[in-house]
Amino acid sequence: SQQGEEDPQALSIQEGENATMNCSYKTSINNLQWYRQNSGRGLVHLILIRSNEREKHSGRLRVTLDTSKKSSSLLITASRAADTASYFCATDAGGSNYKLTFGKGTLLTVNP
Amino acid sequence: GAVVSQHPSRVICKSGTSVKIECRSLDFQATTMFWYRQFPKQSLMLMATSNEGSKATYEQGVEKDKFLINHASLTLSTLTVTSAHPEDSSFYICSASRQGITDTQYFGPGTRLTVL
Repeated sequence: SQQGEEDPQALSIQEGENATMNCSYKTSINNLQWYRQNSGRGLVHLILIRSNEREKHSGRLRVTLDTSKKSSSLLITASRAADTASYFCATDAGGSNYKLTFGKGTLLTVNP
Repeated sequence: GAVVSQHPSRVICKSGTSVKIECRSLDFQATTMFWYRQFPKQSLMLMATSNEGSKATYEQGVEKDKFLINHASLTLSTLTVTSAHPEDSSFYICSASRQGITDTQYFGPGTRLTVL
C-alpha cells in the first residue's frame, strides 16, 4: 500500500508565488524526505526531517512535520520557472528492514 | 560529489529479449544500491536492494528470476530484465548509498525501457 500520499496531485502557480505541497502517511516513521524529479529524470534530494523535528529550512524550502497528524508540508517560497517539477515525499521506518516508501507526487508548474 | 549514472538512458527492445541496465557510482563507493520502478505519473516502487558481493533482497511481488540484479563491485550494479514483455515497459531508477541501507541515497537519472 502507498505510504506517502501527496496533495494536490497537480499545482500551477505564477512565478514569485509560494507553492505548498502536502504529504500524508499511514504508519509511524523515522524520517521523512522530500525529493524533486524533473520530467524523465532521476530524483534530487531536497531535505530530510526527522520524526523528532517539527520544522526545517533550506534556502527557499520550508518543511514541516506533524507526527500527530501523520503529515508533512513542503513550502517553496518565491517560486521560479526552474522549480517546475514533480515533488515526492518519502518515508522510512528505520530498523533492519529499512526502505524508502514514496508517495505519488505533486506536479508543480511555475508559469513565467 | 555523489554522482550516479545509468546506462542506457533509453532502450527499446522486442518482446522476449533480455535487457541489461547499468548503474554506476562515479565518484564514491556504494556498499548498497537500490533499484526502483516508476510507472507514468506514479511513485517509485522499490524493487530490490543489493549489497556489494551479496545476493539482492527483493521486495514482495518482484520476481527475482525476471529481474536479475548483480552488484559485483562497489561502483557497479546491473539489472537484467529477462524475457521482457510489454508490461515490463517502465522507467527504472537506481540509487546508491555509501554506507548501508539507511545512508543517504543518491539517485541515477533513470532508464526508460520500452518493450514492443
